[in-house]
Amino acid sequence: DGGITQSPKYLFRKEGQNVTLSCEQNLNHDAMYWYRQDPGQGLRLIYYSQIVNDFQKGDIAEGYSVSREKKESFPLTVTSAQKNPTAFYLCASSIGTEIYEQYFGPGTRLTVT
Amino acid sequence: AQSVAQPEDQVNVAEGNPLTVKCTYSVSGNPYLFWYVQYPNRGLQFLLKYITGDNLVKGSYGFEAEFNKSQTSFHLKKPSALVSDSALYFCAVRDKKGTYKYIFGTGTRLKVLA
Repeated sequence: DGGITQSPKYLFRKEGQNVTLSCEQNLNHDAMYWYRQDPGQGLRLIYYSQIVNDFQKGDIAEGYSVSREKKESFPLTVTSAQKNPTAFYLCASSIGTEIYEQYFGPGTRLTVT
Repeated sequence: AQSVAQPEDQVNVAEGNPLTVKCTYSVSGNPYLFWYVQYPNRGLQFLLKYITGDNLVKGSYGFEAEFNKSQTSFHLKKPSALVSDSALYFCAVRDKKGTYKYIFGTGTRLKVLA
């Protein structure tokens, strides 16, 4: 089955700890994205990557970091500098041209206490 | 700047009645518009898109959307709502030409009442 996977589904961390969220796709898509979803605020773009070894900051990149060493993988690290990390995180991918839709993973719910 | 607006936080409709979820946009250049649906604690699923051509676009699960250039709208419609259509719906628009970045609306919660 082709698709995009995120792990784990639920993640709990103590304040001050860095945490890495996994995102893998086997769709051979060039572009990958990380979004944050909070109640009533829709989706906000954290980082996106249009090609391997290249990525750009989105609208709310502060306190987050990413890497894109492989086409199929785009991990997101939530650092201790992120002031309000508790949220639902969604990873997506797309073929990599403007007319194609995004495919979303099932999401990871991160809770930091 | 490109933007998309969903003016209604929630839409309630009776099962069997037609439904409309509204979306308006502001873009420079050709608008590439998308609708997605999200069920609780899940990722988004693609429903349909407008790139060019016919103003009425048909998509998954019986949904369709009407592109109206003069009103800069792309409303999502379905002739007969099902209880299972209850979900969160997002409209999205391509950002600046040449980037693979998209702007999402804040979402509209659709509640279909039995």
